[in-house]
Amino acid sequence: GAVVSQHPSRVICKSGTSVKIECRSLDFQATTMFWYRQFPKKSLMLMATSNEGSKATYEQGVEKDKFLINHASLTLSTLTVTSAHPEDSSFYICSLSRSGTYEQYFGPGTRLTVT
Amino acid sequence: AQSVTQLDSHVSVSEGTPVLLRCNYSSSYSPSLFWYVQHPNKGLQLLLKYTSAATLVKGINGFEAEFKKSETSFHLTKPSAHMSDAAEYFCALNQAGTALIFGKGTTLSVSS
Repeated sequence: GAVVSQHPSRVICKSGTSVKIECRSLDFQATTMFWYRQFPKKSLMLMATSNEGSKATYEQGVEKDKFLINHASLTLSTLTVTSAHPEDSSFYICSLSRSGTYEQYFGPGTRLTVT
Repeated sequence: AQSVTQLDSHVSVSEGTPVLLRCNYSSSYSPSLFWYVQHPNKGLQLLLKYTSAATLVKGINGFEAEFKKSETSFHLTKPSAHMSDAAEYFCALNQAGTALIFGKGTTLSVSS
């Protein structure tokens, strides 16, 4: 398998502030990274896909100006929630995959609470 | 379009009895199929995966699943439930290099 870390694991912020979540691959270079969002007791919904060297592709209904994704390198992706509101409170999970493979490696997730 | 349907939102079993979590899929292509487990406030852990090799797939913690193309199913089973199996289970599919499409999840409760 592969090791994926997310930081922070838990964050509480005030409404109107921005929060950055990091997703790191610790032992392989990820050409593709995915960001998912999970509401309480719900399934995971894909927010966006990013490939190294290109801009992220956002799913329908996801505001790209609100959820900024930067595939900074082959081992780092960041998700910035800008001007956060209480409805943005959720569990955010990243996953990484190698080019042309099926399996994805998930980070442990970040619990965001906006007060 | 691809989709995953988990037929039961909640399954309750007694410790030591068999577990069956049902998953049906729809795909225009030959997909890869996965089962993940998620414990409260934790990330996802891969239980097993099917990627066009053997149709009966064995995973971790005694779980296994059988890919049945004729029934478009990929049900997860375990012969004997353990208390530690209580969690949320997700069935998912994808094609190489694409994002996973998840089912809505099945909550497994195990009573003593």
